Amino acid sequence: DTGVSQDPRHKITKRGQNVTFRCDPISEHNRLYWYRQTLGQGPEFLTYFQNEAQLEKSRLLSDRFSAERPKGSFSTLEIQRTEQGDSAMYLCASSLAPSRDYNSPLHFGNGTRLTVT
Amino acid sequence: DAKTTQPPSMDCAEGRAANLPCNHSTISGNEYVYWYRQIHSQGPQYIIHGLKNNETNEMASLIITEDRKSSTLILPHATLRDTAVYYCIVSNSGYALNFGKGTSLLVTP
Repeated sequence: DTGVSQDPRHKITKRGQNVTFRCDPISEHNRLYWYRQTLGQGPEFLTYFQNEAQLEKSRLLSDRFSAERPKGSFSTLEIQRTEQGDSAMYLCASSLAPSRDYNSPLHFGNGTRLTVT
Repeated sequence: DAKTTQPPSMDCAEGRAANLPCNHSTISGNEYVYWYRQIHSQGPQYIIHGLKNNETNEMASLIITEDRKSSTLILPHATLRDTAVYYCIVSNSGYALNFGKGTSLLVTP
């Protein structure tokens, strides 16, 4: 079990720069999720994909945030024109949803910690 | 999704049972109760979930009251490695989880 892999583990960037994070889910999982976690808070749902389709993106924090999963395997989360308030842990998770009525528990990666200076 | 209320922190002696309470008085009929935990510097880890019946797996037991307005997660023999933040989540989607702030459990020697 290789688990959910996220890269990089840490990213330091200057305000105004664009950043991109990568997530590799568990291979047989068809759903992939992005969450954000700020200091002292629990994770906050951002968006999710079923295969390559992005089925929920209304909770992305602003239009500076975008996510893709082009071939239904790995995913990227991009933040454009970063702000200091974007500093957080960005978590990826995956699950197996064989049907509309069943979703297996989420398996999380260990996240990418973003610091915007 | 319904909101949950958990104590901010709890202590437990190693080897004893840890009983973590959660109130979810506004839970609706199709919402499940999920428990995840997060060890420092790691992503959340799934523990257990249930709808109305009590559930048990290799990690823990979940006791849900008959009216479903509260639940208790039981770690039967806590170890130092169980020190973590424990999140009680109510959801009908299973994915857009509202983690809240959870309970910080400290297991002491």
